[in-house]
Amino acid sequence: GAVVSQHPSRVICKSGTSVKIECRSLDFQATTMFWYRQFPKQSLMLMATSNEGSKATYEQGVEKDKFLINHASLTLSTLTVTSAHPEDSSFYICSARDTRSPAWETQYFGPGTRLLVL
Amino acid sequence: AQSVTQLDSQVPVFEEAPVELRCNYSSSVSVYLFWYVQYPNQGLQLLLKYLSGSTLVKGINGFEAEFNKSQTSFHLRKPSVHISDTAEYFCAVSVKSQGAQKLVFGQGTRLTINP
Repeated sequence: GAVVSQHPSRVICKSGTSVKIECRSLDFQATTMFWYRQFPKQSLMLMATSNEGSKATYEQGVEKDKFLINHASLTLSTLTVTSAHPEDSSFYICSARDTRSPAWETQYFGPGTRLLVL
Repeated sequence: AQSVTQLDSQVPVFEEAPVELRCNYSSSVSVYLFWYVQYPNQGLQLLLKYLSGSTLVKGINGFEAEFNKSQTSFHLRKPSVHISDTAEYFCAVSVKSQGAQKLVFGQGTRLTINP
């Protein structure tokens, strides 16, 4: 089946530094990827839609200058949390759509990245 | 705006007992509904989906869900649960926003199976 990986799985950083999280589709091409944020014991909240070769589309209330998204290839999207602060600590999850699948509704999810900002 | 409500944050059940996880949605247009499962330290996996057609949808691992338009519900059921079903379950609805289909998730229900 379709596999999506995320790296790193866990990261601890100091306040004020930037952190990059990678999302890769391992066995399929993904024109569209999604980035979610999940707080403890809460649901997934969509942050942005990442489109290969174009700018990401951010959801209302998400700071595009703080959460930089780059989707430079059909198998890789990156999320960079710039000048991270403790309130950015969260579980970040990506998902990807198989470009060649007719199942437009199917998203394959990565295992998530836990970010802790000290 | 479309939304999803999962009425139970936690559901404890004994092994081999039946279970129902409740999900209600709000929508005034065509509805596409999903149930995902999240095992500890893993990504979300699709259990089942309703796009159209039969209102009773069967998924993986013996789960099924019924789309009820009049009650705006999409409850998940399993007749006999196993210890391995212990996980977080999310109901979601697909909405069209800014020209793309996106998922809106419910709050999640933690299913705990006791021996």
